Amino acid sequence: NAGVTQTPKFQVLKTGQSMTLQCAQDMNHEYMSWYRQDPGMGLRLIHYSVGAGITDQGEVPNGYNVSRSTTEDFPLRLLSAAPSQTSVYFCASRPGGQLNTEAFFGQGTRLTVV
Amino acid sequence: AQTVTQSQPEMSVQEAETVTLSCTYDTSESDYYLFWYKQPPSRQMILVIRQEAYKQQNATENRFSVNFQKAAKSFSLKISDSQLGDAAMYFCAYRSASSGTYKYIFGTGTRLKVLA
Repeated sequence: NAGVTQTPKFQVLKTGQSMTLQCAQDMNHEYMSWYRQDPGMGLRLIHYSVGAGITDQGEVPNGYNVSRSTTEDFPLRLLSAAPSQTSVYFCASRPGGQLNTEAFFGQGTRLTVV
Repeated sequence: AQTVTQSQPEMSVQEAETVTLSCTYDTSESDYYLFWYKQPPSRQMILVIRQEAYKQQNATENRFSVNFQKAAKSFSLKISDSQLGDAAMYFCAYRSASSGTYKYIFGTGTRLKVLA
């Protein structure tokens, strides 16, 4: 009954460092996406994937890379961390063929870039 | 482009009372879904209630109900008999019903405080 699992839950990075936020789901969902949550701005879409091998950009993709080699995993890579990337990151998934289903979210990763 | 607006950054309600959180949206589509998500201090995003735009009947889930006014593009959440556990950030979200749609549009959230 794991659902969507994100690791780590907290991370502090120095400016210029790179890292990967992990996201895994065990529900065989086709759609996966990454959002960032900033105070007063709600959640904004970074990247998304509609299936293994298929990814595309969302609203705020700059500074982030993604790949989707399997249905289960959708890692988010920060190439060179900047203080503007300090945020809470959420991974979400949902079935692709069922229009009326909601998105299932991970517990989030709080990232601080100093 | 679609937008979602939550004009109340913060609301307070006395325990056992009723509170309504407001949400308006803008879209040119006729078929879509609307959601209310709850985010407690644990950060977990929890679905509270969902409304399909083609359904005229307002959705209800126990103490939670919505007032969906499609013509006015309004989607408010009513919480009855408020409990301390209802204290959280609440997000209104929109998603198109078009096939292949992946993107949720979120409002900026309303922080609900429940007073004992």
